[in-house]
Amino acid sequence: RKEVEQDPGPFNVPEGATVAFNCTYSNSASQSFFWYRQDCRKEPKLLMSVYSSGNEDGRFTAQLNRASQYISLLIRDSKLSDSATYLCAVIRNTGGFKTIFGAGTRLFVKA
Amino acid sequence: DTGVSQNPRHKITKRGQNVTFRCDPISEHNRLYWYRQTLGQGPEFLTYFQNEAQLEKSRLLSDRFSAERPKGSFSTLEIQRTEQGDSAMYLCASSSYRGVREQYFGPGTRLTVT
Repeated sequence: RKEVEQDPGPFNVPEGATVAFNCTYSNSASQSFFWYRQDCRKEPKLLMSVYSSGNEDGRFTAQLNRASQYISLLIRDSKLSDSATYLCAVIRNTGGFKTIFGAGTRLFVKA
Repeated sequence: DTGVSQNPRHKITKRGQNVTFRCDPISEHNRLYWYRQTLGQGPEFLTYFQNEAQLEKSRLLSDRFSAERPKGSFSTLEIQRTEQGDSAMYLCASSSYRGVREQYFGPGTRLTVT
């Protein structure tokens, strides 16, 4: 089992739809959590950090559930430009800052 | 441009050759990370520096891989005796010691081993 797991998708949604992704992690020592967006053949770009209290940035909302060990990303009112791969990232608290990424969830937003 | 930069952007090499990549982090960031990414996968952690100290190294990193950050600024990643399986995108990221440690990525170096 991978330490960080995501549904690879693809998720195909129409413009204006609401879509949600989950990311599960297995290491209970995980302490910091992030969502990144990656366009084809480009580098990952930080979308948002995920705090224990949740985090909202415009149409994007991220939440953390420590008890069930998952983080989620909700995208409201999807735009064509939201089409990308969404990566979750987890930093362990084991003395260093090793960061584990999920394999990503692909999203296609259709007109 | 004050983002993370990487050079070269593309490298084609023959199997058995050595290659070296360079990463220049965001200037005020003291943490620097190297990752490898192949198609359909997320970035795979290779190693991490805090200033000039290499604090963690993946067990996946064979003896053919070495990374340095001699003055705590730019970093180099060298792959000796390249193999076809080394073909990948090599990503560098940096983060500040403050806050929640968000990492910012450079554009990557795409390595093709023929």
